[in-house]
Amino acid sequence: EIVLTQSPDFQSVTPKEKVTITCRASQNIGNNLHWYQQKPDQSPKLLIKFASQSFLGVPSRFSGSGSGTDFTLTINSLEVEDAATYYCHQSSGLPPTFGQGTKLEIK
Amino acid sequence: EVQLVEAGGGLVQPGGSLRLSCAASGFTFSLYSMNWVRQAPGKGLEWISYIHTSGTTIYYADSVKGRFTISRDNAKNSLYLQMSSLRDDDTAVYYCAMYSGSLDFWGQGALVTVSS
Repeated sequence: EIVLTQSPDFQSVTPKEKVTITCRASQNIGNNLHWYQQKPDQSPKLLIKFASQSFLGVPSRFSGSGSGTDFTLTINSLEVEDAATYYCHQSSGLPPTFGQGTKLEIK
Repeated sequence: EVQLVEAGGGLVQPGGSLRLSCAASGFTFSLYSMNWVRQAPGKGLEWISYIHTSGTTIYYADSVKGRFTISRDNAKNSLYLQMSSLRDDDTAVYYCAMYSGSLDFWGQGALVTVSS
């Protein structure tokens, strides 16, 4: 099973700050890495697919990069509405797996 | 607009059974593989099952293999999850999700509580 490790687990940030969340895979997964945002009491929503492709309707302040084992989700100029838990997900191997999540709190 | 609506959640005793359904609209259901993903209270996301477009290829997580059965009815634009021999640790919100390499769209979730 491919293990995805996110860092940090939790981050408290101020609006307009730049945020970087990383996801490390336990083996090479190419670009088969996706990012989701989950707000409290809501279902997850896809932000970035295949490491760097922005999903339709996602604000341009969200971007993704990386390949192989190391991936990054960047939020430029954080907004209050970005308070959420962010998950990475790999679809390279069976079973598909998720990172443990990174919770962003807005100060 | 893509919509996925789960139904069938509820309270069930350990060892019991439950069937979840997911009604799809806003896209050509028969062209997309589908997945079930669950989330235990206060915990992260766990993939549990996948079904290909025609239903001929199916995968399960080890945690549910032999107890859960995924199926679909393309004529009814519906996905199903038959759950049996339920355990306390199956308590979770269950999401259906449309798959195209990534999980592009998710339903609102159905809460399943396993408790005596």
